[in-house]
Amino acid sequence: EVQLVQSGAEVKKPGESLKISCKGSGYSFTNYWIAWVRQMPGKGLEWMGIIYPSDSDTRYSPSFQGQVTISADKSINTAYLQWSSLKASDTAMYYCATKSSSWFGWFDPWGQGTLVTVSS
Amino acid sequence: QSVLTQPPSVSGAPGQRVTISCTGSSSNIGAGYDVHWYQHLPGTAPRLLICDNNNRPSGVPDRFSGSKSGASASLAITGLQAEDEANYYCQSYDSSLSGWVFGGGTKLTVL
Repeated sequence: EVQLVQSGAEVKKPGESLKISCKGSGYSFTNYWIAWVRQMPGKGLEWMGIIYPSDSDTRYSPSFQGQVTISADKSINTAYLQWSSLKASDTAMYYCATKSSSWFGWFDPWGQGTLVTVSS
Repeated sequence: QSVLTQPPSVSGAPGQRVTISCTGSSSNIGAGYDVHWYQHLPGTAPRLLICDNNNRPSGVPDRFSGSKSGASASLAITGLQAEDEANYYCQSYDSSLSGWVFGGGTKLTVL
């Protein structure tokens, strides 16, 4: 079964750092781009960035460039999303998703989501 | 404000047909990029419903269908069921942003 399993919920304070993960299984993880998508409370889905695990080629949405870092460790089929200094506005659900082989294509499957809560 | 525009909500009675629109611009849907649709229940992983405008992945009922014309697309759901109550999102690619964009989402209520 093709699936992405994300790390568990996190509660952090403003200014703290955080790295969440997304582990793929059931397919050739290194050969498909992995995207990160944010959903703020009560809001819609926003594409944050995308990484190709084979060579760690990474692209960011202009809205998230410089705000987060996306990385991957192909040896353990895992992609990461990290913050160096969290803000309250980073409180959201974060999803990873595999992009189809077509560059302009769809995302499937998705991880179950990681809830990040930033509060003092 | 999302790049793709969807109505915030739609509703219908069981058995009825509803449509959800997704309006883009000349840098995304209007430029010829395909539209994809997702069903999302809060707290769960979004589910791909329609890819490449009108194709259903394996396991998606044929009650769900998609279409695209010009800079807009639509998702139609026929024979509405209580289990269809969820949020629905369209998605495409945008050449101005050099990235993927979503609609703001539409909440479907089954009356």
